[in-house]
Amino acid sequence: SQTIHQWPATLVQPVGSPLSLECTVEGTSNPNLYWYRQAAGRGLQLLFYSVGIGQISSEVPQNLSASRPQDRQFILSSKKLLLSDSGFYLCAWSGSANEKLFFGSGTQLSVL
Amino acid sequence: KNQVEQSPQSLIILEGKNCTLQCNYTVSPFSNLRWYKQDTGRGPVSLTIMTFSENTKSNGRYTATLDADTKQSSLHITASQLSDSASYICVADRGSTLGRLYFGRGTQLTVWP
Repeated sequence: SQTIHQWPATLVQPVGSPLSLECTVEGTSNPNLYWYRQAAGRGLQLLFYSVGIGQISSEVPQNLSASRPQDRQFILSSKKLLLSDSGFYLCAWSGSANEKLFFGSGTQLSVL
Repeated sequence: KNQVEQSPQSLIILEGKNCTLQCNYTVSPFSNLRWYKQDTGRGPVSLTIMTFSENTKSNGRYTATLDADTKQSSLHITASQLSDSASYICVADRGSTLGRLYFGRGTQLTVWP
């Protein structure tokens, strides 16, 4: 069966520090991978998606970047965090565009 | 403007009672409508997916309906349990482009004993 792992579960970082969140998927090959952010009381916002290794599409201009160094690995990064980067970050995968999303357990990021 | 509106924003019911959550969408073109359940501090979990040609779909005590003409969907929960306490998120999919999902803000359901 397929599983998705996302870590860390919580993270507290000072403003200006770097960020690296990692997500891995097991039990499937060539998944579509996604990074979402969920602010309190808001709907999920798509940040990045990837259809293959090295292929990244950005939905919202921001202080973040994403990379897909391996087929089932998706990384969210920042060189310098801003206060506005605080939020709940979710990694997800799907088999195709119209199939349901499977979400990771999320990372609660607090930038202080 | 493509968007998804959910109501009510929050809802409190007693254990064993039924409830219905509403979703209106203005996404076009439209491919499918999804409902997710999100426990606090966790990732959303898929409950149902309905294409524009489907009117209803059930998943245990959860039944979703879709009216593609009026662009409305509802999620009915039968015989609620304490574990149903969560946020329920409606998602409209345009289907034409990868990543084109529009998320509602969710309805926060609390089930009291």
